[in-house]
Amino acid sequence: SQQGEEDPQALSIQEGENATMNCSYKTSINNLQWYRQNSGRGLVHLILIRSNEREKHSGRLRVTLDTSKKSSSLLITASRAADTASYFCATDPDSARQLTFGSGTQLTVLP
Amino acid sequence: EADIYQTPRYLVIGTGKKITLECSQTMGHDKMYWYQQDPGMELHLIHYSYGVNSTEKGDLSSESTVSRIRTEHFPLTLESARPSHTSQYLCASSRGGGTEAFFGQGTRLTVV
Repeated sequence: SQQGEEDPQALSIQEGENATMNCSYKTSINNLQWYRQNSGRGLVHLILIRSNEREKHSGRLRVTLDTSKKSSSLLITASRAADTASYFCATDPDSARQLTFGSGTQLTVLP
Repeated sequence: EADIYQTPRYLVIGTGKKITLECSQTMGHDKMYWYQQDPGMELHLIHYSYGVNSTEKGDLSSESTVSRIRTEHFPLTLESARPSHTSQYLCASSRGGGTEAFFGQGTRLTVV
């Protein structure tokens, strides 16, 4: 079964609005990562947050991590049509060697 | 731009054929992964390797096999392709120790 689950499954917003996606996971982790996937392409790494961090910023991206609730959120501010893509969270469990991905959120930003 | 390459990008083959999907990376990463992903769906880990001569099966049962004879190369082989193997196959690598993964562009396989 997948380690992470994203919520919502799909999100549609207007350009300029903020987009928030959530990720929940089941086991303890070393870190949590967010990736972006354009249709039919490979995934691209966006940001990594370690288990001892609570918040991290990168450009228009803001990620939070709550290890007590086993959840993370990705906020994209001032969204653009080019942000349209699927976004996945991935966890690096400290008891396993492999990176496991959630089910993804399909974000559509309307111009 | 990630230095990880998958070939072919698209492949249409007949049932029963043997195929090998290639994946190479020039970053010297120890960890490599194969994921299977149907359009718009989640990624399923089917194989991974944490070094030369070391391979493991992932969460999703797969009839494919992999090998890791060289650090940079992690090919995936289907001995006898079936329509149920139609999917996108994504290869990835990472340095390990909780670092980011780099993905290839994927191979979209269609078995007719």
